[in-house]
Amino acid sequence: LAKTTQPISMDSYEGQEVNITCSHNNIATNDYITWYQQFPSQGPRFIIQGYKTKVTNEVASLFIPADRKSSTLSLPRVSLSDTAVYYCLVGGNSGNTPLVFGKGTRLSVIA
Amino acid sequence: EPEVTQTPSHQVTQMGQEVILRCVPISNHLYFYWYRQILGQKVEFLVSFYNNEISEKSEIFDDQFSVERPDGSNFTLKIRSTKLEDSAMYFCASSGVLAEQFFGPGTRLTVL
Repeated sequence: LAKTTQPISMDSYEGQEVNITCSHNNIATNDYITWYQQFPSQGPRFIIQGYKTKVTNEVASLFIPADRKSSTLSLPRVSLSDTAVYYCLVGGNSGNTPLVFGKGTRLSVIA
Repeated sequence: EPEVTQTPSHQVTQMGQEVILRCVPISNHLYFYWYRQILGQKVEFLVSFYNNEISEKSEIFDDQFSVERPDGSNFTLKIRSTKLEDSAMYFCASSGVLAEQFFGPGTRLTVL
């Protein structure tokens, strides 16, 4: 499994765009990049998934360069409710794939 | 929106006792999982389940643990003889044909 590295923590003010970068130098050809969000005392929640280039949904954007050795989760105009831990995961895209979580990035949004 | 539910939300037990954690996955999902998260640590995979049998399990999932899907809706995790170090949040998750997993709210297990 490809190992991921992301910052332990980040701080941001409300209304700012937040970019969290994850490195995954050993990503395999078949691997997808997935981001989950976890609020305190809750289960992780899927945010976005991509394979290459850019993916956007109503919550976030995911930027993946051509070499796929890193990815950046972009959260536009964060609010206090975006304070959470964000996990970058790399792995297969089919069902029955156990998720391997790292320590994630603890994002604190300040008013 | 369909969601994964878990009961109880909090379970307190004495060391050596058996506990059963219950989950109701999303109804049309095919794959079911248990994860745990010790306080302040990362989420760890325990076991995956498909077609009424274990697909994969981690080193954590030893003989003290078992899973069962006793009917068409429930998915349970049993710990036969709890230890202090089993204290954690236990999350159930389910997924369809794609890898996106939907997690339940968790059961906080406290072993005294």
